[in-house]
Amino acid sequence: EVQLVQSGAEVSKPGESLKISCKGPGYDFTSYWIAWVRQMPGKGLEWMGSIYPGDSETRYSPSFQGQATISADRATSTAYLQWSSLKASDTAKYYCTRHYGYYFAMDVWGPGTTVTVSS
Amino acid sequence: SYVLTQPPSVSVAPGKTARITCGGDDIGSKSVHWYQQKPGQAPVLVVSDDSDRPSGVPERFSGSNSGNTATLSISRVEGGDEADYFCQVWDNDSDHVVFGGGAKLTVL
Repeated sequence: EVQLVQSGAEVSKPGESLKISCKGPGYDFTSYWIAWVRQMPGKGLEWMGSIYPGDSETRYSPSFQGQATISADRATSTAYLQWSSLKASDTAKYYCTRHYGYYFAMDVWGPGTTVTVSS
Repeated sequence: SYVLTQPPSVSVAPGKTARITCGGDDIGSKSVHWYQQKPGQAPVLVVSDDSDRPSGVPERFSGSNSGNTATLSISRVEGGDEADYFCQVWDNDSDHVVFGGGAKLTVL
């Protein structure tokens, strides 16, 4: 069964760094893009960016460029989303999802990782 | 940047047909995908490429796309269809994914 397995909920303080993960067993991880999607409490879906693990090509939404970093490790079929200095406004649920190409639908979604940033 | 506009809410009686729209400039020239998100759950793909239904999605879900409006239709609506519905495209001018703001479907 194709699935995306995300790391557990995190509670951090403003200014701290954080890295969350998304592991993709059950399919050729290097042949699909992995996107990260933010959902703030009670709000809609926001695309942060996508990475192609096959060659690490990465595209960011202008809204998130420079705010967080997307990476991937082909050897472990894992994608990552990391922050160097969290803000309270980063409090949200973060989903990873896969899509076959630019125009393709996001057909498999992880359960999401809740990140809470509070002093 | 490309903008997708959805009504914040749509209400429908059980057994009727719900139509959820997604407006965008010349959206008919793009492939539109639709996702259903129930409270506390991850989104689920219900229609891809304007009108294709993934395996396991009931035939009651269908999509169309023309001109400046794409539409997700849900026939014979049931209480279990209550959810938020999001449309999504790839904007080839900016090379970015774009989501609509989402529409909350309420079954009366």
